[in-house]
Amino acid sequence: DAGVIQSPRHEVTEMGQEVTLRCKLISGHNSLFWYRQTMMRGLELLIYFNNNVPIDDSGMPEDRFSAKMPNASFSTLKIQPSEPRDSAVYFCASSLKRADEKLFFGSGTQLSVL
Amino acid sequence: DQQVKQNSPSLSVQEGRISILNCDYTNSMFDYFLWYKKYPAEGPTFLISISSIKDKNEDGRFTVFLNKSAKHLSLHIVPSQPGDSAVYFCAARNAGNMLTFGGGTRLMVKP
Repeated sequence: DAGVIQSPRHEVTEMGQEVTLRCKLISGHNSLFWYRQTMMRGLELLIYFNNNVPIDDSGMPEDRFSAKMPNASFSTLKIQPSEPRDSAVYFCASSLKRADEKLFFGSGTQLSVL
Repeated sequence: DQQVKQNSPSLSVQEGRISILNCDYTNSMFDYFLWYKKYPAEGPTFLISISSIKDKNEDGRFTVFLNKSAKHLSLHIVPSQPGDSAVYFCAARNAGNMLTFGGGTRLMVKP
């Protein structure tokens, strides 16, 4: 198995533009997490899904952020419009079951909003 | 309000010596604690964990200690190796099965 796959690895965009980050889960995993890493706040949980259903989105910073799971193996995180303070590394992670704390992380997307 | 804190952003250790990484938490409802390791340009990977009913868990060169009364856990790496150089995150699980991560500590092991 290739593990959790994220794309793109790097994204540079201008303020106001829409950004879409993509994530492919490990086959058979049914929980999906989106995290954001910044110097100031470390790893923050943005949202998590279980069986394609959003369970907790309290970490999503603003309405500019939205996440979807159109099917059991794929998720997107969209920022519209993007702002410079959104610059960070965004990770998605998956696990085999909802209560499994041993998450498998993707390599992340480095987002820079100019 | 950070519920999980790693107060040392970086740590430098000589190869062969012990590395001690510390983590403090504030939420007494956390019932499971983990350490993740992260290399540059990669995602974090699970390293070792401990249940709140234990005070020590050992796996090879890695040992995690938990002091519930002090709300403190630590990761010991003995002996430290250059390949251990990475960012280490501690994480804690709450009743809702959510993980809260600390800010990370960058460990540098010098040959």
